[in-house]
Amino acid sequence: EADIYQTPRYLVIGTGKKITLECSQTMGHDKMYWYQQDPGMELHLIHYSYGVNSTEKGDLSSESTVSRIRTEHFPLTLESARPSHTSQYLCASTAAGGHEQFFGPGTRLTVL
Amino acid sequence: SQKIEQNSEALNIQEGKTATLTCNYTNYSPAYLQWYRQDPGRGPVFLLLIRENEKEKRKERLKVTFDTTLKQSLFHITASQPADSATYLCALGGYQKVTFGTGTKLQVIP
Repeated sequence: EADIYQTPRYLVIGTGKKITLECSQTMGHDKMYWYQQDPGMELHLIHYSYGVNSTEKGDLSSESTVSRIRTEHFPLTLESARPSHTSQYLCASTAAGGHEQFFGPGTRLTVL
Repeated sequence: SQKIEQNSEALNIQEGKTATLTCNYTNYSPAYLQWYRQDPGRGPVFLLLIRENEKEKRKERLKVTFDTTLKQSLFHITASQPADSATYLCALGGYQKVTFGTGTKLQVIP
């Protein structure tokens, strides 16, 4: 079982709210990722980090931001949520030099 | 543009048979290819990785082949069980980046 955690698991909020999705891993992995996945669709990379103070945007344009102040923590923030942000958000991590991605359980976000 | 194609329709097979899932790609030269399993409402779980210079990799009842000329990977589950029912994703890896396919849903019928 991978030691990567996401909270909350489910979130229903109103339009315009600011939210932060939490992701933590206890494996000491340098690389961390955020993906967005709609039902039956592929995972889209929205942000990634190769270490502390390193963050990059992924392939999918996103209005979210991330930070990496500590190795184990990679939160994702939406300043003003919209219905188009409704989706599943998956966090993953990889050890330095490795390729296997360990995924968290995901956060199912619904914006009304 | 880069494209990964997996069987979009669900694959239904009888318990005990071998399931074969296909991953085709275009406009891509991956250094490695991975297969993941994803259950409903959960994150993907890594199964196997095969590198561009490898033709075949096995792990218990799982077998993956990788043909860089055909730009195709086949994923086999032998002696399939109902517990193998899930969506299987292929992912292509290159420099700093992994791209996932949409997955194939496998249903093993008892």
